[in-house]
Amino acid sequence: AQKVTQAQTEISVVEKEDVTLDCVYETRDTTYYLFWYKQPPSGELVFLIRRNSFDEQNEISGRYSWNFQKSTSSFNFTITASQVVDSAVYFCALSDYKIIFGKGTRLHILP
Amino acid sequence: KAGVTQTPRYLIKTRGQQVTLSCSPISGHRSVSWYQQTPGQGLQFLFEYFSETQRNKGNFPGRFSGRQFSNSRSEMNVSTLELGDSALYLCASSSGLAGGPSDTQYFGPGTRLTVL
Repeated sequence: AQKVTQAQTEISVVEKEDVTLDCVYETRDTTYYLFWYKQPPSGELVFLIRRNSFDEQNEISGRYSWNFQKSTSSFNFTITASQVVDSAVYFCALSDYKIIFGKGTRLHILP
Repeated sequence: KAGVTQTPRYLIKTRGQQVTLSCSPISGHRSVSWYQQTPGQGLQFLFEYFSETQRNKGNFPGRFSGRQFSNSRSEMNVSTLELGDSALYLCASSSGLAGGPSDTQYFGPGTRLTVL
């Protein structure tokens, strides 16, 4: 079965705090891809990162970092020193033979 | 490079009518996918077109159909609209060359459809 679970429906943090968004996935395939997208209030999904199943190296891009752990089927996303502009809905997605998205985590960054 | 564009951005229809939504992919991209986003069901895959052919299909009724033109632009049609079709319809484009799973999809701003 193919599944993506984002257990955190909604998170609120105060600006400058660090926040981690969790993503747990299920797939029977050995080759697959994981993605994170951001959806600001405007509605457009913005691509953040793609990771293939053979590359477990963590990645850092500015204030964003991703922790991929195959052993726990997780692909978590951390925002360091959060800013109000980070407020959005964040989606994790899994692509093996087709792409499915998690339900999303709505992140509120409070000034 | 221009991003994915979708028209119209907002649409109001009544039950029983039909609607056509349009999507222009990023220049050079040959794959266009359509998604329906609702608060209850989240993001659901409708179908994907590549080189004018439907390559993948989600679990939606036949009232939902699409097509792709030779310039890669795509249209999605919903016939006999129901109240439950009210949603944000998102189009995404990708190069399509990798065959699907590995492609990064780039999304348009969406068309907000309201069915009354």
